[in-house]
Amino acid sequence: RKEVEQDPGPFNVPEGATVAFNCTYSNSASQSFFWYRQDCRKEPKLLMSVYSSGNEDGRFTAQLNRASQYISLLIRDSKLSDSATYLCVVNNQQKLVFGQGTRLTINP
Amino acid sequence: DGGITQSPKYLFRKEGQNVTLSCEQNLNHDAMYWYRQDPGQGLRLIYYSQIVNDFQKGDIAEGYSVSREKKESFPLTVTSAQKNPTAFYLCASSIPASNPYEQYFGPGTRLTVT
Repeated sequence: RKEVEQDPGPFNVPEGATVAFNCTYSNSASQSFFWYRQDCRKEPKLLMSVYSSGNEDGRFTAQLNRASQYISLLIRDSKLSDSATYLCVVNNQQKLVFGQGTRLTINP
Repeated sequence: DGGITQSPKYLFRKEGQNVTLSCEQNLNHDAMYWYRQDPGQGLRLIYYSQIVNDFQKGDIAEGYSVSREKKESFPLTVTSAQKNPTAFYLCASSIPASNPYEQYFGPGTRLTVT
């Protein structure tokens, strides 16, 4: 079993739609959790950290369920510029473990 | 501007040759990391260094070597022993034990070996 698993997609959705990504992790001792965004042929960039209480940043909402070892990302009112690969990332003692990424394409 | 630089952006080598990828940071971060990314895959950790003159193997260290003689620099050598060296190589840095913990990535080097 992979340490961090994501639905690889791809997801193709129309502009304005709501899209949800899911991720599971296997190490119950993992300390912190993130979503990174990676544009085509570019480096990953931190989108947001994920907290148990849930956190929101504009159109983006991230949620963590430690009991189920499950992380989610919700994008509302999607824009063309949201097209990218979204990487679920888990911090295990300052070593980041990356999911394979979910590719998202927003269509006009 | 503070950041991480990797050079070159694209690198082409013949099979059997060693090649060294550069990574420099001016963020004053103690920790530095090397990852490899293959198409459609997440990043996999090759080597990391938490402090100058010290480094540890990551998950896929075979066929690679590193040095950390200066805080700012963490070069990666891809040796001829690496069986599938063609990949996208990313360098990152961080402040150990920072809260929230974050790694900052360089722009990457795309290595093609033929």
